[in-house]
Amino acid sequence: TQLLEQSPQFLSIQEGENLTVYCNSSSVFSSLQWYRQEPGEGPVLLVTVVTGGEVKKLKRLTFQFGDARKDSSLHITAAQPGDTGLYLCAGEGSGNTPLVFGKGTRLSVIA
Amino acid sequence: DSGVTQTPKHLITATGQRVTLRCSPRSGDLSVYWYQQSLDQGLQFLIQYYNGEERAKGNILERFSAQQFPDLHSELNLSSLELGDSALYFCASSPGGQGETQYFGPGTRLLVL
Repeated sequence: TQLLEQSPQFLSIQEGENLTVYCNSSSVFSSLQWYRQEPGEGPVLLVTVVTGGEVKKLKRLTFQFGDARKDSSLHITAAQPGDTGLYLCAGEGSGNTPLVFGKGTRLSVIA
Repeated sequence: DSGVTQTPKHLITATGQRVTLRCSPRSGDLSVYWYQQSLDQGLQFLIQYYNGEERAKGNILERFSAQQFPDLHSELNLSSLELGDSALYFCASSPGGQGETQYFGPGTRLLVL
């Protein structure tokens, strides 16, 4: 069974600080997705990374896929209260296998 | 708004009861996925339907069943409910199968008392 471990589980920071959250596995994934979920809503896809070593930027968010395609990180620069939410990573295996989700990192950015 | 709708938004019921959750996918999407989200287990994949046929099965209990109708909406049936079934249930849809972006609905919050 493929598992994704996310760390930290909880993170509370001040507005303007930088942060990095991690998504690790012992399994290789063909792609990895990052979602943000706000209270009372479903997860919303932020980015998909496919190639080992790939880096993608989305405004203040930087996503990296590990060279071995087993891990990923999300770095947020100058966090804002609007970044508050649950960040989930999800890995796609080979073939017609369903997405495997991590348990998420719950981020709180305090103004 | 993802374009995926789920009803009801909230559901409160008693142990032993049966409930039906409904999902309408985005227009044109053929795949529907059901997930359960709880605090301790995170987001768990339950089952996927593609154009009316079961495509993939995850950690779905035998007390749970689902189907996708000709108009592509889907229903998740939960029976003999237990306290531990209390969770958020999400439906997602995609145009085709696995590997595509999934669009999540707002979820149904189920509370079993």
